[in-house]
Amino acid sequence: AQTVTQSQPEMSVQEAETVTLSCTYDTSESDYYLFWYKQPPSRQMILVIRQEAYKQQNATENRFSVNFQKAAKSFSLKISDSQLGDAAMYFCANSGGSNYKLTFGKGTLLTVNP
Amino acid sequence: DAGVIQSPRHEVTEMGQEVTLRCKPISGHNSLFWYRQTMMRGLELLIYFNNNVPIDDSGMPEDRFSAKMPNASFSTLKIQPSEPRDSAVYFCASSFRGPGYTDTQYFGPGTRLTVL
Repeated sequence: AQTVTQSQPEMSVQEAETVTLSCTYDTSESDYYLFWYKQPPSRQMILVIRQEAYKQQNATENRFSVNFQKAAKSFSLKISDSQLGDAAMYFCANSGGSNYKLTFGKGTLLTVNP
Repeated sequence: DAGVIQSPRHEVTEMGQEVTLRCKPISGHNSLFWYRQTMMRGLELLIYFNNNVPIDDSGMPEDRFSAKMPNASFSTLKIQPSEPRDSAVYFCASSFRGPGYTDTQYFGPGTRLTVL
């Protein structure tokens, strides 16, 4: 069974600062993927970044990067130079191998203060 | 390239009525998922299709829910009869599942369903 835990229900950051959202997971799959999705008030689920577990290099997408610690089963998201438009609910998710299902964490609500 | 398309975006209906939600996946994708999001339960997978065939419907709440995928470009989720506890946001997502692909799911904008 897959589980995803986001221990921070809410986070806040000042505009232009950096914030890190935490995520831990558990899976029995040897080949799996990890994702961060963003859900703004419009409720659209937007893919932010993805990481293949077999890749040692941490994924980066512009201002978004991850710290993937496979042994610790940790997958945190770092947002640099935070912008007002980054305010949203962020979900960490896991899928892979024979398990096609996306298992989501409960989400972290990020507030960006001007 | 168009993303996943869902209709309607909002649906308000009365208890006992039939509700049909529609989804057009991204062209070329071979997997389609229906999710439900509520405050209490978060995001739940209802059903998963691969190559138009239902693979896993264990998340479908009960017989009142049914889903079909008659072709690669269209799927429906039907609730009959609807109940107030079905009020939620329903998402459709699609992906390409195959060797060498990350199997990333892309979501539609969702349908907010309110059953009075």
